Amino acid sequence: NAGVTQTPKFQVLKTGQSMTLQCAQDMNHNSMYWYRQDPGMGLRLIYYSASEGTTDKGEVPNGYNVSRLNKREFSLRLESAAPSQTSVYFCASGRYEQYFGPGTRLTVT
Amino acid sequence: TQLLEQSPQFLSIQEGENLTVYCNSSSVFSSLQWYRQEPGEGPVLLVTVVTGGEVKKLKRLTFQFGDARKDSSLHITAAQPGDTGLYLCAGDNNDMRFGAGTRLTVKP
Repeated sequence: NAGVTQTPKFQVLKTGQSMTLQCAQDMNHNSMYWYRQDPGMGLRLIYYSASEGTTDKGEVPNGYNVSRLNKREFSLRLESAAPSQTSVYFCASGRYEQYFGPGTRLTVT
Repeated sequence: TQLLEQSPQFLSIQEGENLTVYCNSSSVFSSLQWYRQEPGEGPVLLVTVVTGGEVKKLKRLTFQFGDARKDSSLHITAAQPGDTGLYLCAGDNNDMRFGAGTRLTVKP
């Protein structure tokens, strides 16, 4: 039982490059979430998916897209990375009690 | 502006001391969660409170949800170095909103 897994753990991009962050959960949760964490800002919700086939914008969705591939997997895509997207990204699953992955540290230069 | 305001932002105490951290909002939440996060890891859920006025205890940690379901507190008795970490509160208001956290350091 791995819980929530995320790949990659670290990534460095140049401005304008694209990448996809992968997330998978094995707890049979309907809800999955993507957050970013910046110093002094706490966790801010980017996008969430209340069930397979649905996605909704959170607090800071601009510059991101998501895909709920199936019940287990929820990916986050940066189409054209910007330095302002340098952050630690966390995936979580679970509706009222959330379980988090280990995070992806992304640096955009 | 954070929907959930946590205070203090930083707290450094000696082992054995008691402490209380706060999570305040002007919004009503259907539930509120407390998480602890250690460096390089994701947050880990400590407790969920649902009912206004609810008090939950987890060993030396006591969590209280305000009567109006707008605020919460976390009290730690006889803090230990293992309690060191970032304490985050999160409110459920259709989507999840997190506070910025209280960074606690407990010195031996």
